[in-house]
This record gives sequence, C-alpha cells and structure tokens, in this order.
Amino acid sequence: EIVLTQSPGTLSLSPGERATLSCRASQSVDSSYLAWYQQKPGQAPRLLIYGSSRRATGIPDRFSGSGSGTDFTLTISRLESEDFAVYYCQQYGISPWTFGQGTKVEIK
Amino acid sequence: EVQLVQSGEEVKKPGESLKISCKGSGYRFSTYWIGWVRQMPGKGLEWVAFVYPGDSDTRYSPSFQGQVTVSADMSVGTAYLQWSSLKASDTAMYYCARLSGDAYMDYWGQGTLVTVSS
Repeated sequence: EIVLTQSPGTLSLSPGERATLSCRASQSVDSSYLAWYQQKPGQAPRLLIYGSSRRATGIPDRFSGSGSGTDFTLTISRLESEDFAVYYCQQYGISPWTFGQGTKVEIK
Repeated sequence: EVQLVQSGEEVKKPGESLKISCKGSGYRFSTYWIGWVRQMPGKGLEWVAFVYPGDSDTRYSPSFQGQVTVSADMSVGTAYLQWSSLKASDTAMYYCARLSGDAYMDYWGQGTLVTVSS
C-alpha cells in the first residue's frame, strides 16, 4: 500500500501568513489522483483540492495544490481565521486508498 | 443540493451487532459510489470500503475485509455499514462520502459516532 507522510505534524502561524504543507508518497502517485481535505474540530472532512491542483467547488483561491510523483504540496497563500484546522492528503489512484496522518495548522 | 445524512450516535456492548446508515439526496444515488471512512478518537482518516448502489458492487480495504459489511438499497437511497460482532477497537467516528466520477470524496456525511464498551 502507498504510505503518505505529511510534514510538518503541526504548523504554528499567524493570520495573514503563508502556509506550506507537504505530502510525500512511498511510491509514485499519478497526480490526477491526489486530494487534500480540511477538517475542523467536530466536523466532517471537506474536499479542498483534487487532481493535485484543482480546487473543489466553492474553495477560495488562496488554497492551491501542486506536485507530482512522490512530492505534493498544499499552499494557503494568506491564512484567515477559518483556515486553522487539520489537513489531510489522500491518494485515490491505487487500492487501497490511503490518507496521510494529517498536518495541524494552529494559531501562533 | 447534494446531501448525505447519517444515522445517529450508537452505544453498544462488545459482541453486539450494528448497522449504521447514510442517506443520499440531491443527486442520482444509484450512479455514484459511496465510501466509508473511519476516524478513531484523536486519530486520522482510514478508508474502510466502497459500495456502488446501482449493482451493490463492493470494494474493501484489506484492513477491514471480513470485519465489516457494506451494502446499499437504491430504492431508499441509503448505504449501510454493518458489524456482526463489535469490539471495543471499533469505537470511532464513521463517515460516509460520495465518490466523484474520478473517485475523490466530494461530499461527506456528518459522521456517526460508534462507542463499544462493556
């Protein structure tokens, strides 16, 4: 199975700062099949990015995804208060579908 | 508007059976896979299984194969996740999600908390 390793585990930033989250795969992932989800406490995950770089419906353009092969990145250009949450990457190209362990973005 | 509404919180004893549900609306239920995802307390997301309501085809994660059963009834627009004999380690939040045509999870249910304790 493909193991996804996210780093850092926790990112402490202030509103207005740029957040860069990493997702590294144990083997190559087709970039068409890499997604990012946001989860806030007590809520279900929400799709942010699919196909490694395509924003889901209603997602602000401060969220962007990039990468290929084994290295993928989620960037939040300027953090807003509602962006402090846990972020998960997921590959859905090769069964079993797998998620990274998550990166928590917290207020500094 | 696409919505997935899950059944309510469950508290069970080890060895008991359980079936939780996920009702879809706002789209053609029979033509999209439904996935189930586990989140143990304080932990990350794990894919459990998929079911295709149109023909009841299923796919299981190797980690959950034989431990749970997924099914769907397209006549009532509902997917199910069931256990025949619960263990304490099944305690978790379980989410259902719709799979897009490209297999990412585009809409999620609100989650069903399952607690198994003697």
